[in-house]
Formats: sequence, structure tokens, C-alpha cells
Amino acid sequence: AQSVTQLDSQVPVFEEAPVELRCNYSSSVSVYLFWYVQYPNQGLQLLLKYLSGSTLVKGINGFEAEFNKSQTSFHLRKPSVHISDTAEYFCAVTDWSSGSARQLTFGSGTQLTVLP
Amino acid sequence: DGGITQSPKYLFRKEGQNVTLSCEQNLNHDAMYWYRQDPGQGLRLIYYSQIVNDFQKGDIAEGYSVSREKKESFPLTVTSAQKNPTAFYLCATSKGQGATDTQYFGPGTRLTVL
Repeated sequence: AQSVTQLDSQVPVFEEAPVELRCNYSSSVSVYLFWYVQYPNQGLQLLLKYLSGSTLVKGINGFEAEFNKSQTSFHLRKPSVHISDTAEYFCAVTDWSSGSARQLTFGSGTQLTVLP
Repeated sequence: DGGITQSPKYLFRKEGQNVTLSCEQNLNHDAMYWYRQDPGQGLRLIYYSQIVNDFQKGDIAEGYSVSREKKESFPLTVTSAQKNPTAFYLCATSKGQGATDTQYFGPGTRLTVL
């Protein structure tokens, strides 16, 4: 069975500072990894995904993430955050261990708050 | 305007009543999903459907029911058997059923039981 751990439930950071949101996963087979963002009272929007190939993945809004198989991690980074990045961020994983069904397993989320 | 619509945005229900949440999509996606979101717990899968007239239980299906009579629609009924229904409900779709198919989410329905 797969699982996802987001190590920080809340991350406050000042505007224009860099940020890293941590995500670790557990799976016995090859995985596909995703980061979603959720603004208050809205649905989730895909930021980026890792399927295969280059371990450094670039997404929307200046975010990027690096897949590290040996450390089973997929941390999300941004070199300079803006007030508008304040939101909740979810890491998610899927693999083929569940057979033909395609199920995403989500982490518990990290609330990023950008301070002026 | 393409996308996923969920209605209503806010829903109040008395204990013991069934309630149905709507999810409609015009993306021509085959697969549809229902998730429940509680504070600090991320999203948990309730039901999913890969094709019309077929659906499977997710991790927390007890107290919920669904139907998939049309490709565009996947309504979720929260029954009186659901012991703690107050939550934010999210519908999602994906073009196919593969692990590489991105799931796209609707804006959600917030259900409150009074």
C-alpha cells in the first residue's frame, strides 16, 4: 500500500524568501507523484507532476519539485514567494499496486502562509 | 466554457436526511471521482467510476451512494447512515484510468449537518 507524509502542517515565510514544502512517500513499486494547490473554499489545482524522466520537474507559478528515489521524497520549492502563494499544498502519489484502478493517495496538506 | 461544476456550493442538512451533491463535467472525461476533505486529513476517496453504469467503492464508501447514468454526471448521495457527514466534498475527473492521467477537480461543496 502507498502512503504520503507531509512533514510540516504549517509553513510561514516572508514575501520574496525561498520556501521548501516537504513530502515523503512510501510504496513498494514505481510511483507517480503530484503536487496540488488549494486556495480557500476552492477545488485543487495541479501544480506539477512527476511521471518519468528528469527528476527535476517544473510547474506553474514558478514552483518546481525534485524526485529523489533513494530518499523517497518529492519536495516542492520556490525561490521567491509572493503573497498570492498563500494556500494549502497537497502532495499525492499513485502506483499500479491497486490493480486496474487508478487511485490517488494524498498527504494531509501543508498550509503555506506568506507574510508581508 | 469547459470544466467541472459542483452544486450547490454550500448545503445544510438536518440529521437523518439524505442529500444529493451534484457533479457535472463537459470535458468528455471517462473517469470521475468523489473525495471527502476534513481539516488536517487531506483527501479521502469515497467512490469512483471508470465508465458509464459502473462504479467502485473507495476507502470510505460507507454511508454514501452514487450513480453514473450519463458520462457527464456523477451525483453523490450522503445517506442518513453516514455518521459524520459534515465535510468539504470534491468531485474530480480524468481523461482515462491510467496512473499518468491527471485528475482535475471541481470547486467543491461544503456540507454542514445541523
